Amino acid sequence: SQQGEEDPQALSIQEGENATMNCSYKTSINNLQWYRQNSGRGLVHLILIRSNEREKHSGRLRVTLDTSKKSSSLLITASRAADTASYFCATAAFSGAGSYQLTFGKGTKLSVIP
Amino acid sequence: EADIYQTPRYLVIGTGKKITLECSQTMGHDKMYWYQQDPGMELHLIHYSYGVNSTEKGDLSSESTVSRIRTEHFPLTLESARPSHTSQYLCASSRGGGASGANVLTFGAGSRLTVL
Repeated sequence: SQQGEEDPQALSIQEGENATMNCSYKTSINNLQWYRQNSGRGLVHLILIRSNEREKHSGRLRVTLDTSKKSSSLLITASRAADTASYFCATAAFSGAGSYQLTFGKGTKLSVIP
Repeated sequence: EADIYQTPRYLVIGTGKKITLECSQTMGHDKMYWYQQDPGMELHLIHYSYGVNSTEKGDLSSESTVSRIRTEHFPLTLESARPSHTSQYLCASSRGGGASGANVLTFGAGSRLTVL
């Protein structure tokens, strides 16, 4: 079942601007992760935020988590052309089999124009 | 750079052929996964394994099968490929998440399969 839903589906900005992507989910989670995928490639893990955290930073990335609204946002500051990619949120929820399963959303396609 | 390798990267075959997509990781991860992804769409989990001789089906029903005879190797097989199997297949691995449930995935570059 679909867990994470990213918004917007596509985003086009000028180099140097900030990019904000949102993710909403439906059930309780243990953590939420953001991944990046360049065209035709595999996904690369960017950042993980646990359910008891509200904000996390990593370089030019800032992630927030609001568990009351079941939503998260990813902010990329001072974007570069090399940031052009699809960005996916993934929610980790207890699977009942002694482990956690990740469920991915459809992603936001970011285009950064030089 | 991720130490997880998928071969072939691209495969174009005719209907009815048997194919095996290879996935190997050198990180000693216990858990391995296969996801299916159509262009511009979300990833769907089709198989996973928590260790040697352990395999489970994922959320998306798939006619493919997998095996886990060695920790580092998790091949996916289609006995008789059909055009509906055309997709990108992504292999991933992770350490045991334990109670923390961290479960961060390392992905391979993917195998893009086209069945004519």
